[in-house]
Amino acid sequence: DAEITQSPRHKITETGRQVTLACHQTWNHNNMFWYRQDLGHGLRLIHYSYGVHDTNKGEVSDGYSVSRSNTEDLPLTLESAASSQTSVYFCASSGPGTGLNTIYFGEGSWLTVV
Amino acid sequence: QKEVEQDPGPLSVPEGAIVSLNCTYSNSAFQYFMWYRQYSRKGPELLMYTYSSGNKEDGRFTAQVDKSSKYISLFIRDSQPSDSATYLCAMSAGSGNTPLVFGKGTRLSVIA
Repeated sequence: DAEITQSPRHKITETGRQVTLACHQTWNHNNMFWYRQDLGHGLRLIHYSYGVHDTNKGEVSDGYSVSRSNTEDLPLTLESAASSQTSVYFCASSGPGTGLNTIYFGEGSWLTVV
Repeated sequence: QKEVEQDPGPLSVPEGAIVSLNCTYSNSAFQYFMWYRQYSRKGPELLMYTYSSGNKEDGRFTAQVDKSSKYISLFIRDSQPSDSATYLCAMSAGSGNTPLVFGKGTRLSVIA
């Protein structure tokens, strides 16, 4: 079955370190998204991509970057991790065949920055 | 004013009750409305999808959109303990290449 997977599921890192969260989908979706979810803030869009080599900033993009070199993957990089980036991160995708407005989420990556 | 407002709850109801969850929004361009359900420590999953105004029913769930009032609702009939989750509304102005805007979610507990 097609799916979207995130790794690692849990990570503890130190302030200032670079961290990359991986996202891989097998639906062949063009659209991919990264959200963070925090108590009191709900889901907030970090970055998104509508295809290979396309990336766009979302609501809370500062301190994060993404690159899209193929259809299946959209890794999220925290350039220099800060305690404010402790959160749960969700990758999502959407595309033809599933309804362009219906996005499918991964299981989440819990990141703690100490 | 936030684009989408949703009461975070928590909302606690007895098993069998009718649950009403609501969102208001300010952007009159929104045309696509969705409800996602999120169980604890899981990713959100799509529950209902509606376009423009009107009602849509799926089993015990009914989604209702009132564009004139900029108000959407999700009703759950005969609520079950397995319905205990956070429910997030989401909406979009365009078809496809427009990121969804999410409400903050309402946490629901159905007590047996």
